Amino acid sequence: AQSVTQLDSHVSVSEGTPVLLRCNYSSSYSPSLFWYVQHPNKGLQLLLKYTSAATLVKGINGFEAEFKKSETSFHLTKPSAHMSDAAEYFCVVSDRDSGYSTLTFGKGTMLLVSP
Amino acid sequence: DARVTQTPRDKVTEMGQEVTMRCQPILGHNTVFWYRQTMMQGLELLAYFRNRAPLDDSGMPKDRFSAEMPDATLATLKIQPSEPRDSAVYFCASGPGTGRTDTQYFGPGTRLTVL
Repeated sequence: AQSVTQLDSHVSVSEGTPVLLRCNYSSSYSPSLFWYVQHPNKGLQLLLKYTSAATLVKGINGFEAEFKKSETSFHLTKPSAHMSDAAEYFCVVSDRDSGYSTLTFGKGTMLLVSP
Repeated sequence: DARVTQTPRDKVTEMGQEVTMRCQPILGHNTVFWYRQTMMQGLELLAYFRNRAPLDDSGMPKDRFSAEMPDATLATLKIQPSEPRDSAVYFCASGPGTGRTDTQYFGPGTRLTVL
């Protein structure tokens, strides 16, 4: 069985400071991991995904995430927050190697960015 | 820029009424997923289809919910009769497959309010 834990329900940063959103996963297989972002009253947009290639994954809008198997983590980072980054972020795991794979979503982390 | 579209974007209805939500997946995608998002439960998978055939609808209350794909360009989710506890945002997503590495692309959602 697969599961995802997002360690913080809310993270507050100031504009221009680094962002760290934490995610730990549990998986029976070699997982794929995703980060999605949801702006208010919008659908979910893919930020980046890890699929067993490079462990450091770069995504859109300056975000990146590092897959660490030993720590079962996939934390999302950005060097400098922008006001437009304020949104809810979901860490997602998918791990079936055969048959049909489905996504398991974390509970989400709300990122608040202050001027 | 290919996108998943959903209609209606907002729906307010009275308890007991039938509700139909529609989704147009991205052309060429052969998998379609229906999710429900609430504050309490987060994102829940309701059902998913591959090549128009239902693969799994175990997340859906069977007595009142039904999901179909009449053709490759249309997926529907019906609730009959609707209840206040069905109030949520319903997302449709489509993808190129159901493998572990396949990305799901989300529509903007239908916000349902049942009075």
